Amino acid sequence: EVQLVESGGGLVQPGASLKLSCVASGFTFSDYWMSWVRQTPGKTMEWIGDIKYDGSYTNYAPSLKNRFTISRDNAKSTLYLQMSNVRSEDTATYYCTRERVAPDYWGQGVMVTVSS
Amino acid sequence: DVQMTQSPSYLAASPGESVSISCKASKSISNNLAWYQEKPGKANKLLIHSGSTLQSGTPSRFSGSGSGTDFTLTIRSLEFEDFAVYYCQQYNEYPLTFGSGTKLEIK
Repeated sequence: EVQLVESGGGLVQPGASLKLSCVASGFTFSDYWMSWVRQTPGKTMEWIGDIKYDGSYTNYAPSLKNRFTISRDNAKSTLYLQMSNVRSEDTATYYCTRERVAPDYWGQGVMVTVSS
Repeated sequence: DVQMTQSPSYLAASPGESVSISCKASKSISNNLAWYQEKPGKANKLLIHSGSTLQSGTPSRFSGSGSGTDFTLTIRSLEFEDFAVYYCQQYNEYPLTFGSGTKLEIK
């Protein structure tokens, strides 16, 4: 059974950094592109970016490219999202997804709240 | 970015009825469109990809149609488990973009 479990969220102050993790199981992690998607409190879905199966290439939403970095550790079947200089508008639930044609499996998400 | 306009935002129907949800892209995305179902406490579920291809495990009462800019998700003979929020997403070009969602509620 494919499982994606995010962690690392919580309350963070504006301007701080935060690193989210997503542990994958039930499939060969190193065979798949992976991505991060977030959903705002108003329920807007926003794609953040994705990473090639070997970690050699990434794509980002232009508005987030300068502050967010996606990486992976295939030996640990883990996907990461490094968030820097966070802002109140980064408050959202963050999901990791497996990409196959379209994102076909999603984690249950982790909440990030940016507030002082 | 490709803008995805999804409608209606809210839909009320009764079990057994059929409903349709529309998703319009601001430019052609070929058939590179997916539909997702969101339910509280559950991971989002991919229902349909490539505009009309049912993902494994998706009940046959779900169907997708369209290509280019206009797409439709149809659910026939609604069952209680179908009442949820539905999103479309284009994956034709980066950045991937989503529709604003349709909340399907029991009438």
